[in-house]
Amino acid sequence: QSVLTQAPSASGTPGQRVTFSCSGSSSNIGSNTVNWYQHLPGTAPKLLIYSNDQRPSGVPDRFSGSKSGTSASLAISGLQSEDEADYYCAAWDESLNGPVFGGGTKLTVL
Amino acid sequence: QVQLQESGPGLVKPSQTLSLTCTVSGASISSGSYYWSWIRQPAGKGLEWIGRMFSSGSTNYNPSLKSRVTISEDPSKNQFSLRLTSVTAADTAFYYCARASPEWFGDSFDFSFDPWGQGTLVTVSS
Repeated sequence: QSVLTQAPSASGTPGQRVTFSCSGSSSNIGSNTVNWYQHLPGTAPKLLIYSNDQRPSGVPDRFSGSKSGTSASLAISGLQSEDEADYYCAAWDESLNGPVFGGGTKLTVL
Repeated sequence: QVQLQESGPGLVKPSQTLSLTCTVSGASISSGSYYWSWIRQPAGKGLEWIGRMFSSGSTNYNPSLKSRVTISEDPSKNQFSLRLTSVTAADTAFYYCARASPEWFGDSFDFSFDPWGQGTLVTVSS
């Protein structure tokens, strides 16, 4: 059981916009910023978003993040087949004194 | 370009000790304001933070694993390592090493992992 809650799956067609949600509590998302990671099995997870809505260098602006209260969202616009992967949210947790993750959302591009 | 690579046995017997090493290239683990971390993912489950080591050598661990975990460094080889004692089948997972960048944005703390290693599968079985 992951500390942050994510839907297990999502899908979309090429060119579509898809969103992922991440729900937490006052001790994590409510207090600190949210990160999002993209993971293709067998490869290194990749940081997509830090500090709620900031993209590291090299991440396309098709990826955007937002946060409100104890929830956060990741949006992918102009969906591409290469976006098919697992997406994880994460945030620092005051109670754990460490980072916590969501269970991940598996994106299927139809 | 910073790169991390995990290495170690892929099979460990129950009750024994799991030992993994992360080799870092493109950056020194002894400098900078970074935390060098271990994270794991059991099959079909989410990610779990194991612990972190600061460039000074100080460490913090997930309370759920704290009694069994040690993260240490070998600056001469630019490596840091994970030891997990008394393993059981529940410790079977992909294990990742990663660099974490702590940063304050106002009164909110950001602790993002970038980059990560590709991960290594450790199976606990007799």
